Amino acid sequence: ETGVTQSPTHLIKTRGQQVTLRCSSQSGHNTVSWYQQALGQGPQFIFQYYREEENGRGNFPPRFSGLQFPNYSSELNVNALELDDSALYLCASSLAVTGELFFGEGSRLTVL
Amino acid sequence: AQSVTQLGSHVSVSEGALVLLRCNYSSSVPPYLFWYVQYPNQGLQLLLKYTTGATLVKGINGFEAEFKKSETSFHLTKPSAHMSDAAEYFCAVSDPGNQFYFGTGTSLTVIP
Repeated sequence: ETGVTQSPTHLIKTRGQQVTLRCSSQSGHNTVSWYQQALGQGPQFIFQYYREEENGRGNFPPRFSGLQFPNYSSELNVNALELDDSALYLCASSLAVTGELFFGEGSRLTVL
Repeated sequence: AQSVTQLGSHVSVSEGALVLLRCNYSSSVPPYLFWYVQYPNQGLQLLLKYTTGATLVKGINGFEAEFKKSETSFHLTKPSAHMSDAAEYFCAVSDPGNQFYFGTGTSLTVIP
């Protein structure tokens, strides 16, 4: 059984740029959630996708957007990057909307 | 609204000693509670979860936690610490939409 995989693992961007992070969910999981984990903090919920539709959103501005594809993989897009966007971005998949989360190893974004 | 408070951002124990990591939650509905562990530069791995039923929950690697509704607590324990237990531990509560709210984490150091 393949777990949650994320790419890239590390990337560096400059302020104002745009970034796309990718996530392949665990086999059979139809729900994907994205979390932002700043240094020394717990993960903060960004949004969740269920069957290709956004199904819940945390307190993040519209420049954070996402997609879920028919194979349940997902993308997180962040526009107009700011220094405070530097963080570990975690993708988690689950079997249904109310299920245990399985996390990937994350994409570490540094904004200079 | 759901929230989690982890008392003690850093805990140090001697190898073989009892591990106790504290978590208190706030939830407007019957809570689903979780403990996750994070090793350096990795994603989160589920240790254990409470949904319904028995209030003492056993997880992986010898960890267990007890749900105490009257105290709104879900403390994590392990009778005997191993060096390999050194990591960051996160308590979380989920809402009916499966959005997870994480605490700020407790860093566990095991002293040889």
